[in-house]
Amino acid sequence: GAVVSQHPSRVICKSGTSVKIECRSLDFQATTMFWYRQFPKQSLMLMATSNEGSKATYEQGVEKDKFLINHASLTLSTLTVTSAHPEDSSFYICSARGGQYQETQYFGPGTRLLVL
Amino acid sequence: EDQVTQSPEALRLQEGESSSLNCSYTVSGLRGLFWYRQDPGKGPEFLFTLYSAGEEKEKERLKATLTKKESFLHITAPKPEDSATYLCAVQRWSGGGADGLTFGKGTHLIIQP
Repeated sequence: GAVVSQHPSRVICKSGTSVKIECRSLDFQATTMFWYRQFPKQSLMLMATSNEGSKATYEQGVEKDKFLINHASLTLSTLTVTSAHPEDSSFYICSARGGQYQETQYFGPGTRLLVL
Repeated sequence: EDQVTQSPEALRLQEGESSSLNCSYTVSGLRGLFWYRQDPGKGPEFLFTLYSAGEEKEKERLKATLTKKESFLHITAPKPEDSATYLCAVQRWSGGGADGLTFGKGTHLIIQP
């Protein structure tokens, strides 16, 4: 149980373009989803928290107009990196909690973004 | 501000050589302390949640313990497949819904055959 998927697993894009990353809970209803970013040899840093049907809450220093988050259903959240730049290159990981998995966040496999 | 410090940064052990990983934390009202395992290029895999000082949890060769200031992940007679980065994270109590986790940088564990 508690399976979370992400798509795509890897994406390369040109500077200035937008990229959308999907996060899905496959076997439970995720009332809350989280988005993290991890730079090489660094810890995971929380970017934002989203509750189904509500606006996302962003951590200090994270630009909400650049990182658009939509949590339209209990099984899907999307992160769109708008006008991506090379400094946005990172490993983006989502996590989810909900249903019978209220107390623990279960993570997806991550998406490697490279902006050229 | 919540802080999580893990030590050592890296640890190399021989197969069968037991050891412990440390996680020191500072948080204003601990809701839970979490241990995850992360393999290269993958998302973290959940191992344990600890809620109060004195609590212990075990899973196969791993045992996690918690005090008011730190947590230990004890690994007994490790095997090469236990090689991974082990992450510690804390979650604080908040007035609203669930908070995100504050992670440490992890301990990179290598078990040599």
